[in-house]
Amino acid sequence: EAGVTQSPTHLIKTRGQQATLRCSPISGHTSVYWYQQALGLGLQFLLWYDEGEERNRGNFPPRFSGRQFPNYSSELNVNALELEDSALYLCASSLARRDGETQYFGPGTRLLVL
Amino acid sequence: DQQVKQNSPSLSVQEGRISILNCDYTNSMFDYFLWYKKYPAEGPTFLISISSIKDKNEDGRFTVFLNKSAKHLSLHIVPSQPGDSAVYFCAASGGGTASKLTFGTGTRLQVTL
Repeated sequence: EAGVTQSPTHLIKTRGQQATLRCSPISGHTSVYWYQQALGLGLQFLLWYDEGEERNRGNFPPRFSGRQFPNYSSELNVNALELEDSALYLCASSLARRDGETQYFGPGTRLLVL
Repeated sequence: DQQVKQNSPSLSVQEGRISILNCDYTNSMFDYFLWYKKYPAEGPTFLISISSIKDKNEDGRFTVFLNKSAKHLSLHIVPSQPGDSAVYFCAASGGGTASKLTFGTGTRLQVTL
């Protein structure tokens, strides 16, 4: 069974541009989560989508947004990129929108903002 | 406010010995705890989890212990192998955190020969 996949693996942008990151969950999973791991920092929760709706977001500015498609895949969009947005962006998926469901992570997209 | 803490940034253990990684939490509403292993530039790999209704869960070489009164959990790896060398994150969810995982800052485990 295929795991969580993310694309692209690497992305280089300049300040002020927009970045779009994509995630495909494990088959049968309806919830998708996005996390950011900046250099030297832990994993910070960004967004949670379930059944096409944004269910929760972390302490990030509105220029971080996303959506979930009918096939449960998801996009993370980062507008007006800043240098500090350089990080590893991780997507995870789980079976259902309740606590106690294990989240499985993809390999991540490494975003570099110059 | 760091609700999940891993106070040891690094740990070195000899091959074949026990590795014990510790994690403390402050939010008493957390009711599901997980351990992930992470290599550089890769996504975390799920290792083992435990629900708050249990105090121990075992899976092969990995055992997680939960002490709710102390708000403490630990991951035991026995025997430790060189391939276990990675960064280990504990994570917690539950109690109104709406399914998001709150991660600790990680402990880098080095298993030496």
